[in-house]
Order: sequence, then C-alpha cells, then structure tokens
Amino acid sequence: DAGVIQSPRHEVTEMGQEVTLRCKPISGHDYLFWYRQTMMRGLELLIYFNNNVPIDDSGMPEDRFSAKMPNASFSTLKIQPSEPRDSAVYFCATKRGVGRQPQHFGDGTRLSIL
Amino acid sequence: GQSLEQPSEVTAVEGAIVQINCTYQTSGFYGLSWYQQHDGGAPTFLSYNALDGLEETGRFSSFLSRSDSYGYLLLQELQMKDSASYFCAVSSGGGGNKLTFGTGTQLKVEL
Repeated sequence: DAGVIQSPRHEVTEMGQEVTLRCKPISGHDYLFWYRQTMMRGLELLIYFNNNVPIDDSGMPEDRFSAKMPNASFSTLKIQPSEPRDSAVYFCATKRGVGRQPQHFGDGTRLSIL
Repeated sequence: GQSLEQPSEVTAVEGAIVQINCTYQTSGFYGLSWYQQHDGGAPTFLSYNALDGLEETGRFSSFLSRSDSYGYLLLQELQMKDSASYFCAVSSGGGGNKLTFGTGTQLKVEL
C-alpha cells in the first residue's frame, strides 16, 4: 500500500514568496494532520481535518498560513508571504478512525526560506 | 494545555536494555503513544497505551501509569539500528486524535 505522499521533498525559496506544500493521504484514512518540526520547537501540530473538514487550527502560527482539503485525496498547506522563520520540516500524517489507530507520517517537506 | 518531559539524550551499548521515561501534564487524556524517528526520516509509530500497564511488541515495551501521569518505553536487546530519536505523545481532544509530542530523546547505541 502506498503511504502518505508529500511533495515537494525539498523547497528553497526567497522570503516573501508563496509556498505550497502538498499531501496525498492513505486511501481510506479520514483524518489528516499537518505538523511542523524545528529544533527549537520540536514537532508541533498546526491543523487537522476530519472527512475534509478542518477541526482544529489552533496551532496555525498566523494568518500567513492556510490549509485546505478540497477532497479526500488531497490537502495543501500554504504560506504567503513566507519568512525565514518558517524554515522547518513540514509533515503530513493521516489516520483511520478515532482512538488508538496510529498516525502515519509522510516523508516531509524540508522548507528553507532565504 | 499539555506539556511533556523526557530526557534529551540516552546512550547505551548494543545488546543492553534502555528505558526512556516520559512525564506529562494534560487535560482530557486519552492515551500515550511512542514514535521513533531516524535522522532525516519521518516519525513512525511504535506503541500506544490507553490503560495502566505494560504493552509488549517484540523487543519494545511501553508502560503507562495514569495516576502518576508517567510512562516509559523499554527497548531490549539494543541494536545499532535503534539509534534514533524517540518521542512520547499524549492523545487529547477531538476523540483522542490530537497528539502533543514531547521534545524527544536521542538514543545512541554504541558497540
């Protein structure tokens, strides 16, 4: 079975540019999570969706960040405008159902804002 | 809010047993998970405890005491490939779907 697929794997761009990160969940998984990982702040939950509906976006750092899930097969995380402090590894994770089912992580997008 | 504490680094020799502790403060606790992450890789699920006691999966075991807000991951017969970061994470809110991760413990396995 294909796992969670994220693209791009690496992104280097200049401050002020728009950045779009993409995630394809595992088929049949109804929860999708976006995380950010940095040395300083560790692994932080940004937002999560259930059945394509945003449930909790309290971790989104500011209005420059937005996330969408237009269908069960695709989600995007957008940063506009980007800033150097947004440099991090961004992970998408998905799971099936509630409770003890584990979250399955994609390989992440390593984002560098110059 | 949620907060978790775990040691930043642990070093052990191949073949040994190591225990990584995790204490947490949280509201709406559903369970404690453990994830492994190799350098440059993605976190991968190891175990989940919702009830007090020990869960065993091969060389790895995980323990939870809800009354003490404490858990640990036990790794036996350490191998070099076990060198990685290990994160505890509490499930809270949203039916237990929301994970808050600890800062991670870097395990170094030496010959």
